[in-house]
Amino acid sequence: AQSVTQPDIHITVSEGASLELRCNYSYGATPYLFWYVQSPGQGLQLLLKYFSGDTLVQGIKGFEAEFKRSQSSFNLRKPSVHWSDAAEYFCAVAEYGNKLVFGAGTILRVKS
Amino acid sequence: AAGVIQSPRHLIKEKRETATLKCYPIPRHDTVYWYQQGPGQDPQFLISFYEKMQSDKGSIPDRFSAQQFSDYHSELNMSSLELGDSALYFCASSSRGRQGAAETQYFGPGTRLLVL
Repeated sequence: AQSVTQPDIHITVSEGASLELRCNYSYGATPYLFWYVQSPGQGLQLLLKYFSGDTLVQGIKGFEAEFKRSQSSFNLRKPSVHWSDAAEYFCAVAEYGNKLVFGAGTILRVKS
Repeated sequence: AAGVIQSPRHLIKEKRETATLKCYPIPRHDTVYWYQQGPGQDPQFLISFYEKMQSDKGSIPDRFSAQQFSDYHSELNMSSLELGDSALYFCASSSRGRQGAAETQYFGPGTRLLVL
């Protein structure tokens, strides 16, 4: 069965600092990978996705993620965090467009 | 751009009552997914439909049923509600291309169900 691990439950960064959220997956074939963001009480917004090709993918709001097959990772990065980035971030994997399997999420706090 | 619409946005029910959640996918999307997110938890897949047929099933209780209609909207019917059913219920939609092709699921704002 597929699984997604987000090792960090909470992360706190200063505004303007860089950010990296970790995501590891367990899946036999080439996975389809996603990062979603959820603000409190809100829905899930797609930040970016990886299906194939260039392993460095760009998303919205200045986020990027890098797929590393050798490490089974798909870490999310942002060079300079803004206070509005405070939210919960979910990494997810899908098989051939079927159901998404989510990680437990990482709550990002931004301190000024 | 049009997004996924869910109604109602909030719902309060008593134990043993029934509830119906509705989902209207993005226009021209033919696949609908339902997820349940308990407090402080990640979303869990319940069920999905493609072209009005059930395409996959997850950890959906037998008390729940769902269907997709000819206009592609979907309804999740929940009966004999329990306290543990209190959660945020998300609907997502996608456009399925060739079989096996990757899809992107776009999520609605969710319906927050509280069972008292």
